[in-house]
Amino acid sequence: GAVVSQHPSWVICKSGTSVKIECRSLDFQATTMFWYRQFPKQSLMLMATSNEGSKATYEQGVEKDKFLINHASLTLSTLTVTSAHPEDSSFYICSPLEPGQYNEQFFGPGTRLTVL
Amino acid sequence: SQQGEEDPQALSIQEGENATMNCSYKTSINNLQWYRQNSGRGLVHLILIRSNEREKHSGRLRVTLDTSKKSSSLLITASRAADTASYFCATIAYNAGGTSYGKLTFGQGTILTVHP
Repeated sequence: GAVVSQHPSWVICKSGTSVKIECRSLDFQATTMFWYRQFPKQSLMLMATSNEGSKATYEQGVEKDKFLINHASLTLSTLTVTSAHPEDSSFYICSPLEPGQYNEQFFGPGTRLTVL
Repeated sequence: SQQGEEDPQALSIQEGENATMNCSYKTSINNLQWYRQNSGRGLVHLILIRSNEREKHSGRLRVTLDTSKKSSSLLITASRAADTASYFCATIAYNAGGTSYGKLTFGQGTILTVHP
């Protein structure tokens, strides 16, 4: 299967700081990137969808000014959690998508964010 | 909101036993996918069943689909301790024109624990 990397795998930060999470598709070009959030023992909730070179589309209830997404290239997307607060502590997972490759999607290994 | 409801939420069995997980969904689908997530990791695609299929096998996995009841089941036969993970069903959203952008909606998941 495709190789997707995320960095960092875990991060602990103080409340009020910003954290950047990188997602790379290492062996395919992702025109679309999905970012998910997963709270403990819960399912994945889609936060936003971004297409390379254009602004991200956010799901209802997700603050676009708080979760900044950049998808500047076909192999790299970043999610920045600005002014993080303890309630932002979660597991963030990216999923890059090749055009039309809907039937077997690939996911990054996730980033565990803990905000103190 | 999550489309799929999964049942049971948690399942604990002994090695060698079979594990059955169920998933229900609300909208019409083109296909239904099952994913596995090891603790603290990303998701791995297991199997896809199309809306015109009723049953599909892959190794020790057997998936059924009942579109009239909008439900699916995943059976893992002869379970192993290494099967311990969370299992999610997922469906893809299509707009009124029949176009999909690959956005997955996940069920709540079943946490499977297989004791050696």
